[in-house]
Amino acid sequence: QSALTQPASVSGSPGQSITISCTGTSSDVGGYNYVSWYQQYPGKAPKLMIYEVSNRPSGVSNRFSGSKSGNTASLTISGLQAEDEADYYCSSYTTSSTLVFGGGTKLTVL
Amino acid sequence: EVQLVESGGGLVQPGGSLRLSCTASGFTFSSYWMHWVRQAPGKGLVWVSRIKTDGSSTSYADSVKGRFTISRDNAKNTLYLQMNSLRAEDTAVYYCARNDFAAAVSSWGQGTLVTVSS
Repeated sequence: QSALTQPASVSGSPGQSITISCTGTSSDVGGYNYVSWYQQYPGKAPKLMIYEVSNRPSGVSNRFSGSKSGNTASLTISGLQAEDEADYYCSSYTTSSTLVFGGGTKLTVL
Repeated sequence: EVQLVESGGGLVQPGGSLRLSCTASGFTFSSYWMHWVRQAPGKGLVWVSRIKTDGSSTSYADSVKGRFTISRDNAKNTLYLQMNSLRAEDTAVYYCARNDFAAAVSSWGQGTLVTVSS
């Protein structure tokens, strides 16, 4: 149950687009369309942003989008805003009937 | 409004035990799979365990298998995590969370801090 691999940090300027990658294996990301993305502010509980690779829960801005190719999933945030500065985590269902999270990515809005 | 309230955290010595509880409200608790997720201070999220709606199926992260037990009481709308043989590396905020869609965690509690230290 190794953690999914995410970049430790990404940054972008307001209005730009950024993409965060999440790399796993054929036993998790590559094996199921059950990848989720979460946003977490310091000291707060995480918030679900994307489920089943590319679906947005009600209330989540359409500036957030998800995709997957092979063993790598991606979260794209377009029209970057200051309020998007947070930590982002991916997760995936696995062949062991467990979940696994990525190590997290700190997004800085310059 | 969905509410998940954890309790039972605290300071415990290595090798000790602790039972966390999570009281749910605002939704039909018995209809949802539930999870425990933890986060060590300054670190990332780590999935711990999940349980089926009726408690008949459970799964665990390798790091806690054999030491932690997840359970639920649907009559009391409460989720539990029994933690035995605690280690320093189990120190974390433990979140109770509701499963939605396919293997996504949609609702989270505020977390309860467990500190394992002598």
